Amino acid sequence: DAGVTQTPRHEVAEKGQTIILKCEPVSGHNDLFWYRQTKIQGLELLSYFRSKSLMEDGGAFKDRFKAEMLNSSFSTLKIQPTEPKDSAVYLCASSLGQGAAEQFFGPGTRLTVL
Amino acid sequence: QQKVQQSPESLSVPEGGMASFNCTSSDRNFQYFWWYRQHSGEGPKALMSIFSDGDKKEGRFTAHLNKASLHVSLHIRDSQPSDSALYFCAARNMGYKLTFGTGTSLLVDP
Repeated sequence: DAGVTQTPRHEVAEKGQTIILKCEPVSGHNDLFWYRQTKIQGLELLSYFRSKSLMEDGGAFKDRFKAEMLNSSFSTLKIQPTEPKDSAVYLCASSLGQGAAEQFFGPGTRLTVL
Repeated sequence: QQKVQQSPESLSVPEGGMASFNCTSSDRNFQYFWWYRQHSGEGPKALMSIFSDGDKKEGRFTAHLNKASLHVSLHIRDSQPSDSALYFCAARNMGYKLTFGTGTSLLVDP
């Protein structure tokens, strides 16, 4: 079984650019999550989808971050416009459900904004 | 506020030694706990889950949960250089949100 896949693995952007990160969840998983990981803040939840419906859009991340789930097997995270403080690792995770269901993470996309 | 406090921040043990990590939560609604491990350049991978009070052993890894004191720990015996990684505890109530600890960086010296 394929795990969570993310592309690209590395992205370098100039300040003000638009970038799109992609994620394919584990087949059959209903829940999809986008996280941002930095050394200072740790893992922060950006967005959460349940059966393709957006359930949480990340509060403080709403302005320039937009996650979409085009179908049950593909999601994107758009950052527009990028700022240097967005430099981080962006992780996608999927899960069968809530409560006791484990979250499976992709390898992440390392974003550097110059 | 941080709902899951993790310690220590970093840890160095000799090959073959014991590594121990601790987490204390401030939310009594947490029911489900995991330990995740993240090697450099990879995403976190679940090592173990623990949902009931007591010990759970899987090979060299033992997790311990005490819901009354809101404490969960992980012990790795016979540590190997390949165990060098970032370790996170994670906790969840009946909902979808997984709350992560701040992480412990483990270095196993060969």
